[in-house]
Amino acid sequence: AQKITQTQPGMFVQEKEAVTLDCTYDTSDQSYGLFWYKQPSSGEMIFLIYQGSYDEQNATEGRYSLNFQKARKSANLVISASQLGDSAMYFCAMTDTDYKLSFGAGTTVTVRA
Amino acid sequence: SAVISQKPSRDICQRGTSLTIQCQVDSQVTMMFWYRQQPGQSLTLIATANQGSEATYESGFVIDKFPISRPNLTFSTLTVSNMSPEDSSIYLCSVSGLAGSDEQYFGPGTRLTVT
Repeated sequence: AQKITQTQPGMFVQEKEAVTLDCTYDTSDQSYGLFWYKQPSSGEMIFLIYQGSYDEQNATEGRYSLNFQKARKSANLVISASQLGDSAMYFCAMTDTDYKLSFGAGTTVTVRA
Repeated sequence: SAVISQKPSRDICQRGTSLTIQCQVDSQVTMMFWYRQQPGQSLTLIATANQGSEATYESGFVIDKFPISRPNLTFSTLTVSNMSPEDSSIYLCSVSGLAGSDEQYFGPGTRLTVT
C-alpha cells in the first residue's frame, strides 16, 4: 500500500518569496509517479508538476520545481517568487503501476502582501 | 493536457434521489478515474472507469451505490444513487495516458450537496 505524508497543515509566505512544501512517500514499487496539484477555493484540481521515479533530473514547470530525493523518499514542491494567486491548498500525490492516485492530506498556503 | 468538462458543476439534491455526473474529454484517453473529496478532506479514489467493461471499484465503494459507465474513450458517467447527506462532496473525474504521458489531469469537479 502507498502512503503520502504532508506534515504542514498550513503555511504563510510573503509575496515574492519562495516556499517549500514537504512531501514524503512510502511505497514498495520500483516504478511510480509523483504529482503536485493546486486546489483553489473553487474546488478544481490544477496539475502543477510530475516526476517519474526513474527521472534523474528534478522536474520544473515555470515557478514550480520538484525536489526529488529518491533515497529519502521525499518529493518537496518549491514555489519561487510567490504571488497572491498562489494562495490555495496544495496536494502531493503518487501513482502506482495502475495509475491510481493516492493523495496526502494537503497543505494550505497563504501568501501575504 | 486536455480539456475536461463535467456536468453539472454543482447541484443540491434531496436524500433518496440519484444524480448522474458526466465527464467529457476533448481527446481519447486510455485511463479515466472518479474521485470523491468530502468536506475538509483529501481526495479518495472511487473507481477506475474501464472502456467497454465494468468499472473497477476501490475498497469501500460498490457498484450499486456508484454505478459508472464508460461507453467510449472520451466520455464517462458516475451516478450517486439513493443519496444521503454523507454523500455531500466534490466529485472529480481525471484522465491519464494522453499522448502516452503519465500525467493525470482533473475535470473541474461537481459540488454535490444532499439535503
